Amino acid sequence: DARVTQTPRHKVTEMGQEVTMRCQPILGHNTVFWYRQTMMQGLELLAYFRNRAPLDDSGMPKDRFSAEMPDATLATLKIQPSEPRDSAVYFCASGLPRDGNQPQHFGDGTRLSIL
Amino acid sequence: QKEVEQNSGPLSVPEGAIASLNCTYSDRVSQSFFWYRQYSGKSPELIMSIYSNGDKEDGRFTAQLNKASQYVSLLIRDSQPSDSATYLCAVNAGGYNKLIFGAGTRLAVHP
Repeated sequence: DARVTQTPRHKVTEMGQEVTMRCQPILGHNTVFWYRQTMMQGLELLAYFRNRAPLDDSGMPKDRFSAEMPDATLATLKIQPSEPRDSAVYFCASGLPRDGNQPQHFGDGTRLSIL
Repeated sequence: QKEVEQNSGPLSVPEGAIASLNCTYSDRVSQSFFWYRQYSGKSPELIMSIYSNGDKEDGRFTAQLNKASQYVSLLIRDSQPSDSATYLCAVNAGGYNKLIFGAGTRLAVHP
């Protein structure tokens, strides 16, 4: 059963440290999405890629967040420097938009705590 | 600002009853609609998709779409305690299957 794989599953670190989250999309999927979920804000779209090219990162704080897709099997989301307000669950999702009507499939998420 | 609105709940229904979850959206050009279920501490899981006006049934789940009213709903028949979760409505927001998610409705099915 194909799945989106995210690592690490949990991360606890002190403020100011760099955090890197990784995502392996489902093989063959060409769109990758990064979301952040908190109780207060719900599910927020941070950035997304199609065929490895960034299409929209308007949801991402540019000064400290960066998203890349170095190859078709790996997407990364980095926070540098991290702050306590970045504590959230970060989800990666992938999809294959044959005609724009395809759903996204989510990974298990990275639960991030910044102390 | 494209929006997807859901009642946050909790929606409490007895076991065996029909649970009705509702969602409205603002973007008239949206063409595809999805329902995701999210258990506490877990990731969203796709349970239904609907693209045309009318009803679509899958087991105990029925999705209903009314594009004229910009309204999509999810009915869960014979609700079970295992259906207790947050249900997220998602609407396609343009190309490349970018989705806009509602805040979710928390469903509680009590024995």
